[in-house]
Amino acid sequence: DTGVSQDPRHKITKRGQNVTFRCDPISEHNRLYWYRQTLGQGPEFLTYFQNEAQLEKSRLLSDRFSAERPKGSFSTLEIQRTEQGDSAMYLCASSLNSNNSPLHFGNGTRLTVT
Amino acid sequence: AQKVTQAQTEISVVEKEDVTLDCVYETRDTTYYLFWYKQPPSGELVFLIRRNSFDEQNEISGRYSWNFQKSTSSFNFTITASQVVDSAVYFCALSEARNGGFKTIFGAGTRLFVKA
Repeated sequence: DTGVSQDPRHKITKRGQNVTFRCDPISEHNRLYWYRQTLGQGPEFLTYFQNEAQLEKSRLLSDRFSAERPKGSFSTLEIQRTEQGDSAMYLCASSLNSNNSPLHFGNGTRLTVT
Repeated sequence: AQKVTQAQTEISVVEKEDVTLDCVYETRDTTYYLFWYKQPPSGELVFLIRRNSFDEQNEISGRYSWNFQKSTSSFNFTITASQVVDSAVYFCALSEARNGGFKTIFGAGTRLFVKA
């Protein structure tokens, strides 16, 4: 068990560029979650998957955000036409497929849009 | 609607003091789960405890204890004899069934400073 892995750790991009982040969950975990965290705030729900199925996407999320989990293993989060307001820490978490399973978080990808 | 409120933004205590972190939640479901997570300065969120909506028994684990009261929709967390290493941001979270899975939302967090 190597834990949840996220890549890259840091990303600096210019406004208008596209970025893609990757998350590798704990191998036996069926559920995978993406959250966004800004300074002084709690993790804000973005979307989650059960295996390869995307079960919910936050209504706060614009169409510039898309996530995939093509084979039910790793997941990618893409942000198109980045804006300065997208600057945040993007957290990935995974859990077992039982109702009260806690989330196991990765170290996050810090995005800075200049 | 799901909502988690942590009214205390920051708390500062002196080492060995007891401290209670408050959490109030809102839900329309009868089955749900409550969690506390710790985010130390290193940044990675770490799970501390969970409770399901049918288990109101309070729990003690070392210096940590939790008080779950459905009547007031509260799930408070107490650290006894606080230590400097307890300094972190603590998040309360609520998990409910949604669309075939379980969706977890977090409160805004309480930053705890423990001074030596």
